[in-house]
Amino acid sequence: EVQLLESGGDLVQPGGSLRLSCEASGFTFTNYVMSWVRQAPGKGLEWVSAITGSGGDTYYADSVKGRFTVSRDNSKNTLYLQMNSLRADDTAVFYCTKASGSTRPYYFDYWGQGTLVTVSS
Amino acid sequence: EIVVTQSPGTLSLSPGERATLSCRASQSVSSNYVAWYQQKPGQAPRLLIYGASTRATGIPDRFSGSGSGTDFTLTISRLEPEDFAVYFCQQYGNSRTFGQGTKVEIK
Repeated sequence: EVQLLESGGDLVQPGGSLRLSCEASGFTFTNYVMSWVRQAPGKGLEWVSAITGSGGDTYYADSVKGRFTVSRDNSKNTLYLQMNSLRADDTAVFYCTKASGSTRPYYFDYWGQGTLVTVSS
Repeated sequence: EIVVTQSPGTLSLSPGERATLSCRASQSVSSNYVAWYQQKPGQAPRLLIYGASTRATGIPDRFSGSGSGTDFTLTISRLEPEDFAVYFCQQYGNSRTFGQGTKVEIK
């Protein structure tokens, strides 16, 4: 059974930093692209970032480029999202998602339960 | 960027009725790379449909997807009580963008 367990969400001040983690199990982690998708309160879904199975290639939405860094530790089956220079409009539930394959194009076939990031003073 | 627009914003129906949800892309989606997700309050989205018309594992056959090019549809043939939720479509042929969602509520 595929399981994705996020952690690290918290209340942080504008300009602050936070690192999210996602522990994966139930599949061969290195074989799949992994992504972060976020959802602001009461809003829709926004793809944030993706990383290939080897970790060699990373991709970002324009809204977070230069501020967020995605990485993975395949020895620990864990995905990370380092978020710097956080803004109020980054407030959202962040979902860890497993992609359907190892390369584009892919959809998201499994989602974690989400972790809430609140950016406020 | 491909903009995805869903309509209607809210669909008010009764259990047993048919639901038809629309998803329109601002440009043609290559190879019909469209997925549909269901989200219930307080839960993560769940994959329903990919490739515009292929049901994901374990999804009941009352859910069906169709369409091509820029226009796609999710149909729920007979609404069950557990189907009242928000539905998102997503194109993944050119990066990946989501629609804003359609809420299916009990009339």
